[in-house]
This record gives sequence, C-alpha cells and structure tokens, in this order.
Amino acid sequence: EPEVTQTPSHQVTQMGQEVILRCVPISNHLYFYWYRQILGQKVEFLVSFYNNEISEKSEIFDDQFSVERPDGSNFTLKIRSTKLEDSAMYFCASSKGQKETQYFGPGTRLLVL
Amino acid sequence: GESVGLHLPTLSVQEGDNSIINCAYSNSASDYFIWYKQESGKGPQFIIDIRSNMDKRQGQRVTVLLNKTVKHLSLQIAATQPGDSAVYFCAVKTGANNLFFGTGTRLTVIP
Repeated sequence: EPEVTQTPSHQVTQMGQEVILRCVPISNHLYFYWYRQILGQKVEFLVSFYNNEISEKSEIFDDQFSVERPDGSNFTLKIRSTKLEDSAMYFCASSKGQKETQYFGPGTRLLVL
Repeated sequence: GESVGLHLPTLSVQEGDNSIINCAYSNSASDYFIWYKQESGKGPQFIIDIRSNMDKRQGQRVTVLLNKTVKHLSLQIAATQPGDSAVYFCAVKTGANNLFFGTGTRLTVIP
C-alpha cells in the first residue's frame, strides 16, 4: 500500500539555523500539506499546496516558512531561521483531491536548541 | 474558523468491550469529518470518514456517527483489542483544504 514518507525522522538544530524537511507524497496524489504537532498538543495545519503553488496557509506559516516541490516526487518544508518554539513533530500529508482523505507520513521530530 | 474538542482526554476499556470516543465541533458549515488513530512516534493513520450528507458510516469494527443538529461526532470501536490502544483524533474540514484537529483521546485497552 502506498505511503507518505518523510526524512529525516529526527532533526536537531541550533536556533537561527535553516532546516529543510523532506516528504515524498503518494505518487498519484495532487494535494500536499504540512502540519505540525507541538508535544502534547493538537495537530495544527500549516500549509496546503496544489499545482505548484500554495493554496492555503495558516497564521503559523509566516515568512520564515516556505514550501517547494523541487522535482516530481519531493515536497519540502524549509524553516529559514529556526526558533525554539519551532520544536515539534512536522507531518506531511497528501490527498488525491481537495475533498479526499489526507494520508499522513510518519513525521519528522524537530528539536531546536 | 473551527473549534474541535474531544469530550474525554483518556478512556480505558476492557479488552473485548466496545469503545465510544466523542468529539464536538463548532462550525455548522463543516462538511467532512475524519477519525485518525495515532500510535506513539507515528503519524495520524486514517480510520474512517463521513460527509455531512450522511449520519452513519460503518467500517471494519468501527462506526462513525454524525449528529449535525448538536454538532457531535462519535467513533465506536467494537470488540476493542490491545492493538487499538492509541490516541484518537477527530478532524473536521470546513470548505477549505485544511483539517482542524481535536485534542485527542488516549484509549487504553486493558487485557
């Protein structure tokens, strides 16, 4: 069964450093998403992406964040200058269509020191 | 916007019993509802979904009930097994692409 995959599984970085989180969505899916989950809290929406552009973003997704689909398979989330409060699990998800089920990857645990 | 909450943060059941996990949402325009299961260290795993034109949907050992009048959603798990132990989230979509997640109910199955 096709799955969303994410790398790395864990990332430790210093405050102010740039990080890139990578995702490979399910191959025939057209919509891609990033969510985050701060430890012990609910999953929060960051951004959705379709047809090579952002379709929606939340208040969390400020100028420090960017997303890109650099090739036909990868979908990346970049945080330009990490802050302590960026420490969280970051989940990538994908869906076939806008109203279709979103399938989540296993997540990347980001720790900013 | 949307606010999604679960009624109980934890639920313990005996193996073999039925489990019911409840969720409330705030926006009457919400039109798509999903239950996810999250095991420790993993991403949310899709269990079952329901659209606003239905009030009940059944899967394998799981049933989702939707009451739009009171804006309430429930997940019923029949014959709960130890492998069902996890955190369960309801997620709600209101027109836009993004999902609003509840805070989660941790289900513990006692052998």
